[in-house]
Amino acid sequence: QSALTQPRSVSGSPGQSVTISCTGTSSDVGGYNFVSWYQQQPGKAPKLMIYDVDKRPSGVPDRFSGSKSGSTASLTISGLLAEDEADYYCCLLAGRDVLFGGGTKVTV
Amino acid sequence: QVQLQESGPGLVKPSETLSLTCTVSGGSIRHYYWSWIRQPPGKGLEWIAYMYYSGSTSYNSSLKSRVTISVDMSKNQVYMKLTSVTAADTAVYFCARRFGGGGMDVWGQGTTVTVSS
Repeated sequence: QSALTQPRSVSGSPGQSVTISCTGTSSDVGGYNFVSWYQQQPGKAPKLMIYDVDKRPSGVPDRFSGSKSGSTASLTISGLLAEDEADYYCCLLAGRDVLFGGGTKVTV
Repeated sequence: QVQLQESGPGLVKPSETLSLTCTVSGGSIRHYYWSWIRQPPGKGLEWIAYMYYSGSTSYNSSLKSRVTISVDMSKNQVYMKLTSVTAADTAVYFCARRFGGGGMDVWGQGTTVTVSS
Protein backbone atom coordinates (compact mmCIF):
# COMPACT_ATOMS: atom_id res chain seq x y z
CA GLN A 1 0.00 0.00 0.00
CA SER A 2 1.63 3.22 -1.16
CA ALA A 3 0.47 6.57 0.07
CA LEU A 4 -1.19 8.84 -2.43
CA THR A 5 0.89 11.82 -3.59
CA GLN A 6 -0.10 15.36 -2.65
CA PRO A 7 1.88 18.59 -2.94
CA ARG A 8 3.39 19.57 0.38
CA SER A 9 1.94 23.05 0.25
CA VAL A 10 -0.17 25.43 -1.77
CA SER A 11 -0.96 29.05 -1.13
CA GLY A 12 -3.36 31.69 -2.31
CA SER A 13 -4.67 35.12 -1.46
CA PRO A 14 -8.11 35.70 0.03
CA GLY A 15 -10.73 35.37 -2.67
CA GLN A 16 -8.53 33.30 -4.96
CA SER A 17 -8.90 29.61 -5.80
CA VAL A 18 -6.45 26.84 -5.05
CA THR A 19 -6.45 23.25 -6.22
CA ILE A 20 -4.86 20.35 -4.38
CA SER A 21 -4.00 17.25 -6.37
CA CYS A 22 -3.97 13.69 -5.11
CA THR A 23 -2.15 11.37 -7.48
CA GLY A 24 -2.21 7.61 -7.47
CA THR A 25 -2.20 4.89 -10.09
CA SER A 26 -4.68 3.16 -12.32
CA SER A 27 -4.94 0.48 -9.64
CA ASP A 28 -6.03 2.80 -6.88
CA VAL A 29 -7.32 6.31 -7.64
CA GLY A 30 -7.93 5.39 -11.25
CA GLY A 31 -9.95 2.36 -10.33
CA TYR A 32 -12.18 3.56 -7.50
CA ASN A 33 -14.53 6.48 -6.91
CA PHE A 34 -14.41 6.44 -3.12
CA VAL A 35 -12.18 9.49 -2.80
CA SER A 36 -12.69 11.68 0.24
CA TRP A 37 -11.00 14.85 1.47
CA TYR A 38 -10.37 16.00 5.05
CA GLN A 39 -9.49 19.35 6.54
CA GLN A 40 -7.41 19.34 9.70
CA GLN A 41 -6.83 22.41 11.80
CA PRO A 42 -3.88 22.36 14.22
CA GLY A 43 -4.55 20.17 17.22
CA LYS A 44 -7.95 19.09 15.94
CA ALA A 45 -9.46 15.97 14.45
CA PRO A 46 -9.86 15.82 10.68
CA LYS A 47 -13.16 17.03 9.22
CA LEU A 48 -14.82 15.43 6.19
CA MET A 49 -15.09 17.96 3.35
CA ILE A 50 -15.75 15.81 0.27
CA TYR A 51 -16.71 12.15 -0.17
CA ASP A 52 -17.25 9.86 -3.14
CA VAL A 53 -15.07 12.17 -5.29
CA ASP A 54 -17.41 15.15 -5.50
CA LYS A 55 -20.12 15.00 -2.82
CA ARG A 56 -20.28 17.55 -0.02
CA PRO A 57 -21.61 16.66 3.43
CA SER A 58 -24.24 19.02 4.74
CA GLY A 59 -22.69 22.08 6.32
CA VAL A 60 -19.61 22.16 4.09
CA PRO A 61 -19.55 25.37 2.01
CA ASP A 62 -19.97 24.99 -1.74
CA ARG A 63 -16.63 26.76 -2.10
CA PHE A 64 -15.19 23.28 -1.68
CA SER A 65 -15.45 20.98 -4.67
CA GLY A 66 -13.94 17.67 -5.68
CA SER A 67 -13.20 15.99 -8.98
CA LYS A 68 -11.25 13.15 -10.50
CA SER A 69 -9.56 12.59 -13.82
CA GLY A 70 -7.76 9.36 -14.50
CA SER A 71 -5.42 8.61 -11.60
CA THR A 72 -5.60 12.07 -10.07
CA ALA A 73 -8.24 13.41 -7.73
CA SER A 74 -8.46 17.10 -6.91
CA LEU A 75 -9.90 19.38 -4.25
CA THR A 76 -10.60 22.97 -5.25
CA ILE A 77 -11.23 25.72 -2.76
CA SER A 78 -12.79 28.77 -4.36
CA GLY A 79 -13.05 32.20 -2.78
CA LEU A 80 -10.34 31.46 -0.21
CA LEU A 81 -10.98 32.61 3.32
CA ALA A 82 -8.49 32.94 6.14
CA GLU A 83 -10.33 30.14 7.97
CA ASP A 84 -9.47 27.73 5.13
CA GLU A 85 -5.83 27.72 6.19
CA ALA A 86 -5.26 24.15 7.33
CA ASP A 87 -3.85 20.79 6.33
CA TYR A 88 -5.84 18.81 3.77
CA TYR A 89 -5.67 15.07 3.22
CA CYS A 90 -7.07 12.95 0.43
CA CYS A 91 -8.20 9.44 1.21
CA LEU A 92 -9.18 6.51 -0.96
CA LEU A 93 -11.16 3.40 -0.17
CA ALA A 94 -9.71 0.94 -2.66
CA GLY A 95 -11.43 -2.40 -2.24
CA ARG A 96 -10.73 -3.36 1.34
CA ASP A 97 -7.77 -0.99 1.77
CA VAL A 98 -7.69 2.64 2.81
CA LEU A 99 -4.96 4.94 1.53
CA PHE A 100 -4.19 8.46 2.69
CA GLY A 101 -2.27 11.14 0.88
CA GLY A 102 0.67 12.72 2.64
CA GLY A 103 -1.24 15.94 3.27
CA THR A 104 -1.09 19.48 1.86
CA LYS A 105 -0.73 22.64 3.89
CA VAL A 106 -2.90 25.42 2.51
CA THR A 107 -1.70 28.91 3.37
CA VAL A 108 -3.96 31.89 2.86
CA GLN B 1 -25.65 13.88 17.33
CA VAL B 2 -23.16 11.04 17.31
CA GLN B 3 -19.97 11.58 19.25
CA LEU B 4 -16.86 9.44 19.56
CA GLN B 5 -14.46 9.42 22.51
CA GLU B 6 -11.16 7.57 22.49
CA SER B 7 -9.62 6.42 25.73
CA GLY B 8 -6.54 4.52 26.75
CA PRO B 9 -3.16 4.81 28.44
CA GLY B 10 -1.16 7.85 27.52
CA LEU B 11 2.11 6.00 28.03
CA VAL B 12 3.04 2.49 26.99
CA LYS B 13 6.37 0.74 27.40
CA PRO B 14 8.21 -0.68 24.39
CA SER B 15 7.27 -4.29 23.55
CA GLU B 16 3.99 -4.01 25.47
CA THR B 17 0.45 -4.03 24.08
CA LEU B 18 -1.49 -0.83 23.46
CA SER B 19 -5.23 -1.09 24.07
CA LEU B 20 -7.61 1.69 23.06
CA THR B 21 -11.36 2.10 23.39
CA CYS B 22 -13.68 4.25 21.29
CA THR B 23 -17.01 4.95 22.97
CA VAL B 24 -19.89 5.85 20.66
CA SER B 25 -22.59 8.08 22.12
CA GLY B 26 -25.73 9.54 20.59
CA GLY B 27 -26.11 6.78 18.06
CA SER B 28 -25.68 3.10 17.33
CA ILE B 29 -22.70 1.15 16.11
CA ARG B 30 -25.01 -0.75 13.78
CA HIS B 31 -24.85 -0.28 10.01
CA TYR B 32 -21.54 1.59 9.95
CA TYR B 33 -17.87 0.88 9.51
CA TRP B 34 -15.57 1.89 12.36
CA SER B 35 -11.98 2.87 11.71
CA TRP B 36 -8.81 3.56 13.64
CA ILE B 37 -6.39 6.11 12.20
CA ARG B 38 -3.21 7.47 13.73
CA GLN B 39 -1.02 10.50 13.28
CA PRO B 40 2.61 10.53 14.46
CA PRO B 41 3.83 13.88 15.77
CA GLY B 42 4.21 16.34 12.91
CA LYS B 43 3.26 13.76 10.30
CA GLY B 44 0.28 12.73 8.21
CA LEU B 45 -2.63 10.39 8.76
CA GLU B 46 -2.17 6.64 8.63
CA TRP B 47 -5.06 4.23 8.39
CA ILE B 48 -4.77 1.31 10.83
CA ALA B 49 -7.91 -0.79 10.43
CA TYR B 50 -11.65 -0.80 10.07
CA MET B 51 -14.47 -3.07 11.08
CA TYR B 52 -18.08 -3.39 10.01
CA TYR B 53 -20.42 -3.66 12.99
CA SER B 54 -21.31 -7.20 12.02
CA GLY B 55 -17.72 -8.40 12.20
CA SER B 56 -15.98 -7.97 8.84
CA THR B 57 -12.51 -6.45 9.29
CA SER B 58 -9.69 -5.01 7.20
CA TYR B 59 -6.18 -4.10 8.30
CA ASN B 60 -3.30 -2.01 7.00
CA SER B 61 -0.89 -4.60 5.66
CA SER B 62 2.04 -2.92 7.39
CA LEU B 63 0.37 -3.37 10.80
CA LYS B 64 -1.76 -6.45 10.21
CA SER B 65 0.43 -8.82 12.21
CA ARG B 66 0.15 -6.64 15.32
CA VAL B 67 -3.37 -5.14 15.23
CA THR B 68 -6.76 -6.40 16.27
CA ILE B 69 -9.99 -4.41 16.00
CA SER B 70 -13.26 -5.43 17.60
CA VAL B 71 -16.63 -4.05 18.66
CA ASP B 72 -19.01 -4.60 21.55
CA MET B 73 -22.47 -3.59 20.40
CA SER B 74 -23.92 -3.97 23.88
CA LYS B 75 -21.52 -1.32 25.14
CA ASN B 76 -21.44 0.74 21.92
CA GLN B 77 -17.66 0.54 21.94
CA VAL B 78 -14.94 -0.13 19.39
CA TYR B 79 -11.55 -1.48 20.47
CA MET B 80 -8.07 -1.62 19.05
CA LYS B 81 -5.11 -3.60 20.29
CA LEU B 82 -1.59 -3.09 18.99
CA THR B 83 1.05 -5.51 20.18
CA SER B 84 4.83 -5.21 20.48
CA VAL B 85 4.81 -1.44 20.33
CA THR B 86 7.91 0.61 19.60
CA ALA B 87 8.67 4.33 19.59
CA ALA B 88 7.42 4.40 16.00
CA ASP B 89 3.91 3.76 17.34
CA THR B 90 3.92 7.06 19.22
CA ALA B 91 1.02 9.02 17.75
CA VAL B 92 -2.39 10.54 18.22
CA TYR B 93 -4.92 7.77 17.67
CA PHE B 94 -8.33 8.61 16.24
CA CYS B 95 -11.44 6.53 15.83
CA ALA B 96 -13.86 7.46 13.07
CA ARG B 97 -17.20 6.36 11.63
CA ARG B 98 -17.37 5.57 7.92
CA PHE B 99 -20.58 5.66 5.96
CA GLY B 100 -21.28 4.73 2.38
CA GLY B 101 -18.30 4.38 0.10
CA GLY B 102 -15.52 5.99 1.99
CA GLY B 103 -16.38 9.14 3.84
CA MET B 104 -15.46 9.20 7.52
CA ASP B 105 -17.98 11.70 8.79
CA VAL B 106 -17.59 11.50 12.55
CA TRP B 107 -14.25 11.55 14.35
CA GLY B 108 -13.19 11.39 17.94
CA GLN B 109 -10.94 14.09 19.33
CA GLY B 110 -8.01 11.69 19.38
CA THR B 111 -5.92 10.28 22.19
CA THR B 112 -2.16 10.76 22.45
CA VAL B 113 -0.10 7.65 23.01
CA THR B 114 3.61 7.79 23.77
CA VAL B 115 5.76 4.68 23.68
CA SER B 116 8.66 5.08 26.04
CA SER B 117 10.35 3.25 28.87
